[in-house]
Amino acid sequence: GAGVSQSPRYKVAKRGQDVALRCDPISGHVSLFWYQQALGQGPEFLTYFQNEAQLDKSGLPSDRFFAERPEGSVSTLKIQRTQQEDSAVYLCASSSGTSNEQFFGPGTRLTVL
Amino acid sequence: KQEVTQIPAALSVPEGENLVLNCSFTDSAIYNLQWFRQDPGKGLTSLLLIQSSQREQTSGRLNASLDKSSGRSTLYIAASQPGDSATYLCAVNEDFNKFYFGSGTKLNVKP
Repeated sequence: GAGVSQSPRYKVAKRGQDVALRCDPISGHVSLFWYQQALGQGPEFLTYFQNEAQLDKSGLPSDRFFAERPEGSVSTLKIQRTQQEDSAVYLCASSSGTSNEQFFGPGTRLTVL
Repeated sequence: KQEVTQIPAALSVPEGENLVLNCSFTDSAIYNLQWFRQDPGKGLTSLLLIQSSQREQTSGRLNASLDKSSGRSTLYIAASQPGDSATYLCAVNEDFNKFYFGSGTKLNVKP
């Protein structure tokens, strides 16, 4: 595709619900990143994939957060038993792998009530 | 852990002014540094990427400099326009695939 796309753009969940956020990277990009951005703050690293391998998940805040990229393209970030503190914008970025310049999607704004 | 600070947090200038945004980082062992702009409700748009071996990069009215030894980068915007109004973020890359972001500078250019 022409750019990184994310869906849904907005998600409202009741506390305790599970949510799944999708990221479609730029076609051919081997590296994929997930970030969490709280209001008024910069993005915070969550996890990184190179193709289908999750090489770094050190930023995932708890074991309720899980990410996968089974075929090395589309990625899903899953949050189980959502809490109010999970409310944030979740950003996905991809890079070609030869250059690490990152290209971002529009984000998914998650609101947990 | 790498800490990235951006000063000022907000800036309001009249159209036509030249301005400088500052970014500082605590660990100088970086791979590169990237500047982004973020419009309200949108994702990040890449502006400039400076490799650790470079001193500056230019794109149109934008010029970014990097002083790795002192842990500083600046983004210079010439002849600012209302369309430049956005939040500007810098991100420091330590190991090719892990970026640390500052909190951003919110810029308002008044017509």
